[in-house]
Amino acid sequence: GQNIDQPTEMTATEGAIVQINCTYQTSGFNGLFWYQQHAGEAPTFLSYNVLDGLEEKGRFSSFLSRSKGYSYLLLKELQMKDSASYLCAVVDSNYQLIWGAGTKLIIKP
Amino acid sequence: NAGVTQTPKFRILKIGQSMTLQCTQDMNHNYMYWYRQDPGMGLKLIYYSVGAGITDKGEVPNGYNVSRSTTEDFPLRLELAAPSQTSVYFCASSGGADTGELFFGEGSRLTVL
Repeated sequence: GQNIDQPTEMTATEGAIVQINCTYQTSGFNGLFWYQQHAGEAPTFLSYNVLDGLEEKGRFSSFLSRSKGYSYLLLKELQMKDSASYLCAVVDSNYQLIWGAGTKLIIKP
Repeated sequence: NAGVTQTPKFRILKIGQSMTLQCTQDMNHNYMYWYRQDPGMGLKLIYYSVGAGITDKGEVPNGYNVSRSTTEDFPLRLELAAPSQTSVYFCASSGGADTGELFFGEGSRLTVL
């Protein structure tokens, strides 16, 4: 079966750095997305990786290792508004999106 | 630019009632999706469409139906509502299946009592 694993919840301090991991076992791979979802709102796009390596976008970076079936989202200089759930999703060989359950990130002052 | 618009935002149904969740997008996207999200869970694909006149089942299609008569509209029909269909429903669209970022509607919170 297809599976995406993410930690259920993480806590970090304002101003710090946090890394949210995502491991996947899917039938094929055609890219990996990270989305942010604030409570009661719709997911919004953060990043897309299809090749190995690090993609940096402001305070957020996303890393992919296809050989290890692994990705992480790195958030720097954490702000209170970063409190949200972070969803990892993989595009499989049929170009279907397989979603993880999400990681709830709690930022403390 | 409105993006993806879905209605209603909230609805309470009685068991056995039927309703339609409306979804429309103005980005001329070919791909449209309906997801449901239960508390603490990831998104589950109900139905999707790759273009007008074409629909296909996702992971959890039972109890739902869709149609895609135009590029813009992708309504989701619930027949004979059941408590198990209590969830938050999201409509989304994208310009492509693989690299296309998904644009989501605001969500519809449905409760079946």
